[in-house]
Amino acid sequence: QQKVQQSPESLSVPEGGMASLNCTSSDRNFQYFWWYRQHSGEGPKALMSIFSDGDKKEGRFTAHLNKASLHVSLHIRDSQPSDSALYFCAAREESNNRIFFGDGTQLVVKP
Amino acid sequence: EAAVTQSPRNKVAVTGGKVTLSCNQTNNHNNMYWYRQDTGHGLRLIHYSYGAGSTEKGDIPDGYKASRPSQENFSLILELATPSQTSVYFCASGGTNERLFFGHGTKLSVL
Repeated sequence: QQKVQQSPESLSVPEGGMASLNCTSSDRNFQYFWWYRQHSGEGPKALMSIFSDGDKKEGRFTAHLNKASLHVSLHIRDSQPSDSALYFCAAREESNNRIFFGDGTQLVVKP
Repeated sequence: EAAVTQSPRNKVAVTGGKVTLSCNQTNNHNNMYWYRQDTGHGLRLIHYSYGAGSTEKGDIPDGYKASRPSQENFSLILELATPSQTSVYFCASGGTNERLFFGHGTKLSVL
């Protein structure tokens, strides 16, 4: 079973709209979460981390973590065409440095 | 910004041949990782390392070996390459609870 599950698989939003991406884990050993973004032909790049319950805001990006349900979300407001990319949720196991990624959400922002 | 360099960028190998993928980081990070990326599977962890001389198995280690001869270098070795190992391979480095920095990837085709 995939340790980190993401939804939806793909998402299309209009320019200026809000994009919402979701991530869940069934493993309570995962306590540290990140969001990464990958543009075509490049390696993934970290967007932001979230380790505590609640919201964390960085510019147009807001991450939310609910540790009780192991649910993480990423919200992108005022989406731009340059935000079009593959977005990954990643989680680190509590006991070691293994970092697992979900299958990704393909975001398309249409002008 | 932290740098991770992978070589080669592209590789064509024959079935049963030996393939070595190299990764170098100048970030002085203790942790290094090898992932493969296939359509529909996101990033899957093959091997990782805590530091020079250490290698640990990830989620899909079968058919792969890893070597960490120094802080800077981490290699992925396919002793007997198979067509199922055709993929894009990413190396990453990072500190504990810090973001990962990825290389540009190696596209491997096994014929």
